[in-house]
Amino acid sequence: DGGITQSPKYLFRKEGQNVTLSCEQNLNHDAMYWYRQDPGQGLRLIYYSQIVNDFQKGDIAEGYSVSREKKESFPLTVTSAQKNPTAFYLCASTISPQGMNEQFFGPGTRLTVL
Amino acid sequence: AQKITQTQPGMFVQEKEAVTLDCTYDTSDPSYGLFWYKQPSSGEMIFLIYQGSYDQQNATEGRYSLNFQKARKSANLVISASQLGDSAMYFCAMREALTDSWGKLQFGAGTQVVVTP
Repeated sequence: DGGITQSPKYLFRKEGQNVTLSCEQNLNHDAMYWYRQDPGQGLRLIYYSQIVNDFQKGDIAEGYSVSREKKESFPLTVTSAQKNPTAFYLCASTISPQGMNEQFFGPGTRLTVL
Repeated sequence: AQKITQTQPGMFVQEKEAVTLDCTYDTSDPSYGLFWYKQPSSGEMIFLIYQGSYDQQNATEGRYSLNFQKARKSANLVISASQLGDSAMYFCAMREALTDSWGKLQFGAGTQVVVTP
């Protein structure tokens, strides 16, 4: 079955540690996105990538980093510079950023900083 | 500035009744798309329906329909014959075609729907 997988589902981190959230898709989609969701709020864009080895900052990129070495993978690193990292993180992809194509989402990773 | 506004933080609806979720948007881009997503308590976002700015007819998808009023910049989602499984958070989102070439979606704050027996 095609889809987007995110791991882990739950992640606990101590303050000062970097953590990496995994996002993999087998939909052969070109574009991938990372969103952050805080309780009772909508999604805010962290980073996005249109092609391999290229990515752009979204609205709230500070304290985060990404890589896109393979088309199917778009990991997100939450660094110690992120002041309030506890949130729900969603990865998404779309077949092409051109055209009005819906984004498909993964199941999400819930990050808690202890 | 907020581009997508969902003014209803939460709603209760009885099973089998219809419910309308409000969404207004702000854009100067003549070409844009509006998307509705459902987020159950599990967290995954599920695409429901899409309306393009140049579409002449309101979009429909099963029990979901979109009341698109372009002049008022509103794109309200109508869920007919509500079911218990419709209880979820619903998000309206917009993609601006000319001002954004990266396919970014801008989301509203969402509306929590609770369907009661």
